[in-house]
Amino acid sequence: AQTVTQSQPEMSVQEAETVTLSCTYDTSESDYYLFWYKQPPSRQMILVIRQEAYKQQNATENRFSVNFQKAAKSFSLKISDSQLGDAAMYFCAYRSMYSGGGADGLTFGKGTHLIIQP
Amino acid sequence: EADIYQTPRYLVIGTGKKITLECSQTMGHDKMYWYQQDPGMELHLIHYSYGVNSTEKGDLSSESTVSRIRTEHFPLTLESARPSHTSQYLCASEGQGSYEQYFGPGTRLTVT
Repeated sequence: AQTVTQSQPEMSVQEAETVTLSCTYDTSESDYYLFWYKQPPSRQMILVIRQEAYKQQNATENRFSVNFQKAAKSFSLKISDSQLGDAAMYFCAYRSMYSGGGADGLTFGKGTHLIIQP
Repeated sequence: EADIYQTPRYLVIGTGKKITLECSQTMGHDKMYWYQQDPGMELHLIHYSYGVNSTEKGDLSSESTVSRIRTEHFPLTLESARPSHTSQYLCASEGQGSYEQYFGPGTRLTVT
């Protein structure tokens, strides 16, 4: 079974600064997907960014980028130019590329609460 | 945002009541999922479906049941609610081959 660990329960950053959220995972699989999801207070969980394990290039979506280190099983999220609207719980998630037996359900970390200081 | 809906958004009920949480999506996705998010915010897969008439239990044991009679609809039922069922329930769907799951807004259930 896969596990996902987010070691930072809470992070705080000044508006316009850069912050990095950490995520490590454990798996015996070679092909998989990794995701960062954002859950604002009382609002919908939305996908921020995804990374395919077979791709060496780190994914980037506007101000959001990842540092994917496959050998180290590390998948951190960098948010540049932080904005007040970035305040939310951020979840790192793992998804197997295989189907069946619930393998395509997401395995989540416990989340990091990101606070943006104005 | 994706077209996936959940009702009700908030529900407070007494112990022993039967409840059904509704989830529907308009994207024609075959795969649908239910996750339970506990007060500590951890999320766990409790049910999933690969299509009509397909339902399976997830990683976390749950006393709830699900059905999938129509592609767009994936309701979750608790026959007899208990305080231990107090949680947020998130529904998600995934298109064939996309590997990306889209979430509904969730139902926050409180059982007194």
